[in-house]
Amino acid sequence: GAGVSQSPSNKVTEKGKDVELRCDPISGHTALYWYRQSLGQGLEFLIYFQGNSAPDKSGLPSDRFSAERTGGSVSTLTIQRTQQEDSAVYLCASSLARIRTSGGTQYFGPGTRLLVL
Amino acid sequence: AQKVTQAQTEISVVEKEDVTLDCVYETRDTTYYLFWYKQPPSGELVFLIRRNSFDEQNEISGRYSWNFQKSTSSFNFTITASQVVDSAVYFCALRTIIQGAQKLVFGQGTRLTINP
Repeated sequence: GAGVSQSPSNKVTEKGKDVELRCDPISGHTALYWYRQSLGQGLEFLIYFQGNSAPDKSGLPSDRFSAERTGGSVSTLTIQRTQQEDSAVYLCASSLARIRTSGGTQYFGPGTRLLVL
Repeated sequence: AQKVTQAQTEISVVEKEDVTLDCVYETRDTTYYLFWYKQPPSGELVFLIRRNSFDEQNEISGRYSWNFQKSTSSFNFTITASQVVDSAVYFCALRTIIQGAQKLVFGQGTRLTINP
């Protein structure tokens, strides 16, 4: 079956502009995660969605970052007023909800490479 | 607090050599899961293996093997008879089942280069 897909694969934007990154999880996966991978910080958790529960936003670095998940499937990560330090690869992952059977194994998409000039 | 340490930043070996990637973790939880992911030059994180804290049995999959030792909080990964296609960055990760703590905590990664 299809894996996690993300779009765009690359995005170049100017400082101060808003960007939207999209993630389409594996069909049937109710949990969805966003991570950021940058040279200095490694892989950082940003936000987690599980079904209709309130998302875990504990990893969002500032209020310029937000995410939503519509219909329990596709998710959009929005960065407002982008800064150069936002340049990174943004990775999306999805998993089954049954942790005890699946271990909550997260399967990752190819990422969106964001460059803020 | 949870933490994963991959002390080896970069490893370079010649093809056909065996190589071990180290992973040490910290957690106060009694139930947790450990993972290894491979990130080839294409950039996508590829899931390799999952281990739960109650299963210390070592696992072998082809040329790959994993050694989980709770006594030393380690989950090391060995590639036997390495090949150029094994060149990638490898990440070790940890998560617990505590509600609200679903995120993966990653190590800094080990960049493995297999030279022909």
